[in-house]
Amino acid sequence: QKEVEQNSGPLSVPEGAIASLNCTYSDRVSQSFFWYRQYSGKSPELIMSIYSNGDKEDGRFTAQLNKASQYVSLLIRDSQPSDSATYLCAVGGGGSNYKLTFGKGTLLTVNP
Amino acid sequence: EAQVTQNPRYLITVTGKKLTVTCSQNMNHEYMSWYRQDPGLGLRQIYYSMNVEVTDKGDVPEGYKVSRKEKRNFPLILESPSPNQTSLYFCASGGLALSTGELFFGEGSRLTVL
Repeated sequence: QKEVEQNSGPLSVPEGAIASLNCTYSDRVSQSFFWYRQYSGKSPELIMSIYSNGDKEDGRFTAQLNKASQYVSLLIRDSQPSDSATYLCAVGGGGSNYKLTFGKGTLLTVNP
Repeated sequence: EAQVTQNPRYLITVTGKKLTVTCSQNMNHEYMSWYRQDPGLGLRQIYYSMNVEVTDKGDVPEGYKVSRKEKRNFPLILESPSPNQTSLYFCASGGLALSTGELFFGEGSRLTVL
């Protein structure tokens, strides 16, 4: 069974700092990788997707993928209190494998 | 407004009393999926569907049934609920033209089985 592991947290950073969230996955053939944000009591929302090795930037968010190391990360620059949430890493099989496996999430708190 | 709608949002029931949680999406998405979220266990996939009449098991399908008779609807059926099915349930949908990991989630249905 495919496993997705995230650093357990909680992670606490001061406002304006860089928050770094990490994720490893067990299935070497995985093809698609996602970061979802979930505020307390709310449903997950997609914030980043990445499919190729390297970095992908979107505003203050940067996703990094290293398939050889089976590692994906999310960097949040200039962290804001509104970034305080649980961040979920999700891994998809790609091709005809449509199962999506989520990690347990990392709780991030940004302190003003 | 693009949305995934689940009902009921909250439900308390008793062991063995059949229940259905409905899920409907208005985005013409082919892919739909059910997840349960439990403290310390994260989001786990129950069932998913690639299109009408096409469904497959996720990681925790035991005790659940689904059907996909229409593209927009994907109900989750608990034939004989048990206390270990007390959980927060999310329905999600996505288009096959995109990766099936780019999902839109409903607001969640909190189920308590006594």
